[in-house]
Amino acid sequence: EIVLTQSPGTLSLSPGERATLSCRASQSVSSSYLAWYQQKPGQAPRLLIYRASSRATGIPDRFSGSGSGTDFTLTIRRLEPEDFAVYYCQQYGNSRYTFGQGTKLEIK
Amino acid sequence: QVQLQQSGPGLVKPSQTLSLTCAISGDSVSGDSPAWNWIRQSPSRGLEWLGRTYYRSKWYNDYAVSVESRITINPDTSKNQFSLQLNSVTPEDTAVYYCARAIRSLPGGILDVFDIWGQGTLVTVFS
Repeated sequence: EIVLTQSPGTLSLSPGERATLSCRASQSVSSSYLAWYQQKPGQAPRLLIYRASSRATGIPDRFSGSGSGTDFTLTIRRLEPEDFAVYYCQQYGNSRYTFGQGTKLEIK
Repeated sequence: QVQLQQSGPGLVKPSQTLSLTCAISGDSVSGDSPAWNWIRQSPSRGLEWLGRTYYRSKWYNDYAVSVESRITINPDTSKNQFSLQLNSVTPEDTAVYYCARAIRSLPGGILDVFDIWGQGTLVTVFS
């Protein structure tokens, strides 16, 4: 099973700043099948990025993903107030799915 | 648009069976493209995929190793829904349970992302 480790655990930033979130896999993620989700309190996760760098429908272009192999990054440029939430990475391999433990993006 | 509506009890006693249902609108449980999943979330275990069911000329299931001896996911084509049964629950199974649709982000590729989620059901295992 591929283990995904996200860092940092908590990121404190101000609106307008740039956020960089990391997701590291214990083994190479096949064909960059790595996705990112945003979760706000009391809500289900929402798909943001798939295949490491493609934005899902309706996701603003301030969200971008990059990376391959074992190292992946979610970048949010010019944070908006609604971007403060928890972010998870997720991968699929061998008919199983795993998630990272999450990065909480909080207002500084 | 596609929506998933969950139902089921929020309180289950230890050693009993947790049962939840996910009703699908805007898609078909027996469609030949997506897969239908159960995922749970708890402070101790984070987001944990439990299993899925999907139809490709016949029905298939895949389950997480952590629960494979206790879990059953069944489709119900007459009601266009699918269900989760988790047997012999303990307080460790207390979590918010989500149903979710998995799709292929690439035509002909794997079912790699969860694009639609149910609203979540908090299930507490408590005597």
